[in-house]
Amino acid sequence: LAKTTQPISMDSYEGQEVNITCSHNNIATNDYITWYQQFPSQGPRFIIQGYKTKVTNEVASLFIPADRKSSTLSLPRVSLSDTAVYYCLVGAPPFNNAGNMLTFGGGTRLMVKP
Amino acid sequence: AAGVIQSPRHLIKEKRETATLKCYPIPRHDTVYWYQQGPGQDPQFLISFYEKMQSDKGSIPDRFSAQQFSDYHSELNMSSLELGDSALYFCASSSWDPRTSTDTQYFGPGTRLTVL
Repeated sequence: LAKTTQPISMDSYEGQEVNITCSHNNIATNDYITWYQQFPSQGPRFIIQGYKTKVTNEVASLFIPADRKSSTLSLPRVSLSDTAVYYCLVGAPPFNNAGNMLTFGGGTRLMVKP
Repeated sequence: AAGVIQSPRHLIKEKRETATLKCYPIPRHDTVYWYQQGPGQDPQFLISFYEKMQSDKGSIPDRFSAQQFSDYHSELNMSSLELGDSALYFCASSSWDPRTSTDTQYFGPGTRLTVL
């Protein structure tokens, strides 16, 4: 499994755009990049997943450069409720429909201030 | 949309007792995963099942066992509980999506186990 490195913590203010970068220098050809959000005492919540270039959904964008050695989660116009831990995970989907465990490492604690 | 259901949400046990945690995956999801998250720690993978068969095994103590039933729900059985077993236990479920070639895991709300 590719090792990921992301900032331990970040501060932001309401209404700002937040970009959290994750490094994954050893990403393999088949690996996807997935981001989860976790609030205290709640289960991780899937945010976005991508393989290359840019992916956008209703809550976030994921930017992946051509070399795929890093990725950036972009949260537009954050609010106080976006205060949470954000995990970047890298791994390959199973090709035989078997389970594929997630390895959570570190995570970025985002604090959104009023 | 239906989500992963876990029961109970809270459980208090004494040392050396046993506990059973239940997980009901999202409908039509065939894979279930169990994770343990201690206080101030990241979720750690315990075990997973695909089509009622164990598919991956992580750092699950020998005192713990799990299975997936014919209706795809799963149970995590924990025996000889220790103080260090106090944690949040999350279940996640997934299903292979051939359109995107991914199998995104969706997590339940968790069961908070307290061992006294």
